[in-house]
Amino acid sequence: GQQLNQSPQSMFIQEGEDVSMNCTSSSIFNTWLWYKQDPGEGPVLLIALYKAGELTSNGRLTAQFGITRKDSFLNISASIPSDVGIYFCAGVNYGGSQGNLIFGKGTKLSVKP
Amino acid sequence: DGGITQSPKYLFRKEGQNVTLSCEQNLNHDAMYWYRQDPGQGLRLIYYSQIVNDFQKGDIAEGYSVSREKKESFPLTVTSAQKNPTAFYLCASSKDPAKNIQYFGAGTRLSVL
Repeated sequence: GQQLNQSPQSMFIQEGEDVSMNCTSSSIFNTWLWYKQDPGEGPVLLIALYKAGELTSNGRLTAQFGITRKDSFLNISASIPSDVGIYFCAGVNYGGSQGNLIFGKGTKLSVKP
Repeated sequence: DGGITQSPKYLFRKEGQNVTLSCEQNLNHDAMYWYRQDPGQGLRLIYYSQIVNDFQKGDIAEGYSVSREKKESFPLTVTSAQKNPTAFYLCASSKDPAKNIQYFGAGTRLSVL
């Protein structure tokens, strides 16, 4: 079946630094989604990308839909302590029987004040 | 406020007992989903439903059952056949099952006594 490779698995950075993470797949997707999950809570949708090459921002977050439709990137600028959490990418294939939302395994972000 | 409500937040199961996790949404979404999340793991799909009175098995349906008698409600029963039920359970919904932009509840943590 389809799989997403999300990297890095974890990051430990200094407050104020920029962060980059990405997801890659051997399959193409029609939509890429990025979620953030705080400890003990459900994932919250951050950004949705619908077109190859699309670049979308949400405050200090910027995400891009790869040209090949097989990858996506999330950047966080000037990290702050509340950015701590797990970031998940997810890809949607419209041809799947359930809409086929596939999740990466997450990037755990830790920020040192 | 519109959203997805999961209850209870914490649940304990005794040996041989069935327990039911509640998921209610007032977003008027057609599709609803149940996921299981284990520590350090991504989300694994248990069951999903795209319309009332219909549901489909996901990747790990064994030991679980669901019903969809109302559009707003999609309860999950963890049966005694599920030998390793300790996990964080997440419910999600989406307006368009094809585009599948999913929104999540806050989760239920199930533990075994």
